Amino acid sequence: KAGVTQTPRYLIKTRGQQVTLSCSPISGHRSVSWYQQTPGQGLQFLFEYFSETQRNKGNFPGRFSGRQFSNSRSEMNVSTLELGDSALYLCASSFGEGTEAFFGQGTRLTVV
Amino acid sequence: AQRVTQPEKLLSVFKGAPVELKCNYSYSGSPELFWYVQYSRQRLQLLLRHISRESIKGFTADLNKGETSFHLKKPFAQEEDSAMYYCALVGNAGNMLTFGGGTRLMVKP
Repeated sequence: KAGVTQTPRYLIKTRGQQVTLSCSPISGHRSVSWYQQTPGQGLQFLFEYFSETQRNKGNFPGRFSGRQFSNSRSEMNVSTLELGDSALYLCASSFGEGTEAFFGQGTRLTVV
Repeated sequence: AQRVTQPEKLLSVFKGAPVELKCNYSYSGSPELFWYVQYSRQRLQLLLRHISRESIKGFTADLNKGETSFHLKKPFAQEEDSAMYYCALVGNAGNMLTFGGGTRLMVKP
């Protein structure tokens, strides 16, 4: 079956702009989580959605938001971009609680 | 609060040597522990989880609740084991993974 798909793969944005990233989970998976990966901070949890509801939220400012649709696809949005938002954003889907997380290839966001 | 610590950023060994990647965690309840691996130019993928008690690609990890550790071991390293390894835990709420900083394993010929 198809893996987790993230689009776009690469993005370049200017400070102050906003951006929307998309994630299509594995068919049948209802949990979608987002992570930010940077050389300095490593992998940090952003938020998790399950059946269209945000179930967990990491320690990120309100500029970072997300949503999940009825087909389990998820989007995350970052408003008023800052240089420090440059990172690889990873999406992961899981079937149930505490089960294996399957990761996408990530979206590399560069803020200039 | 939950925390995962991987004390070594880089571990370099020769092919055929034993490998141990260290992982310590702090969590007040009973977490699920995982090892994820990222090979060059590939996506992050699960290597093993403590609950399954499997050996994957020759790697094993034992959960030591007394020492709050989940070290990854392999008796004989192979060059294809060179990758970035992340220890992670999931607590009692959902699928929020808390990752360690990662250890880059380099296996030299």
